Amino acid sequence: KNQVEQSPQSLIILEGKNCTLQCNYTVSPFSNLRWYKQDTGRGPVSLTIMTFSENTKSNGRYTATLDADTKQSSLHITASQLSDSASYICVVSGLSGAGSYQLTFGKGTKLSVIP
Amino acid sequence: DVKVTQSSRYLVKRTGEKVFLECVQDMDHENMFWYRQDPGLGLRLIYFSYDVKMKEKGDIPEGYSVSREKKERFSLILESASTNQTSMYLCASSLRQGPSRELFFGEGSRLTVL
Repeated sequence: KNQVEQSPQSLIILEGKNCTLQCNYTVSPFSNLRWYKQDTGRGPVSLTIMTFSENTKSNGRYTATLDADTKQSSLHITASQLSDSASYICVVSGLSGAGSYQLTFGKGTKLSVIP
Repeated sequence: DVKVTQSSRYLVKRTGEKVFLECVQDMDHENMFWYRQDPGLGLRLIYFSYDVKMKEKGDIPEGYSVSREKKERFSLILESASTNQTSMYLCASSLRQGPSRELFFGEGSRLTVL
């Protein structure tokens, strides 16, 4: 069964500090992995997408990594800001038996950045 | 920018009432989805549609139905609301082609069933 596990479930950090969120998956065959950011009371918004051939990708202060061999991804946030407080959801796309693409969602990591 | 608009941000209904949640997208996306989001469970797919009048069951379709009469509009229907359907409902849309389709979400509809 396809699964996506995220850790930690929640995290509290001081403003200005760095943090790393983890995503482990068992989706196979793998197509791509997206990180979404969901502000409280809002819908998720895509931060970045990682494909099989990509190891690292940056989007401002956000850097995502992918190790397709160990089926792990991380999202590193540098110099955190109060606006980074949100839930971060890892979503993995895999090829289903019917030839279409199926999305498997992680349960998210809730990040709180405090002054 | 893609915009996905959900008709109601907050609803309070009584057990047994019929509930309509509407979603409209303005980017001519073929695919539309309804998810529910609960603490500790993450997002779970209720139904999706890849074309007008087409619908497919997701992981938790029981107690729900959907309607897609126009490409831009996807409605979620709770025929007889129950307390265990209290949740945040999220609509999303995406292009049909390719594995890297990004989901564009609405702001969500928080439903409370008393």
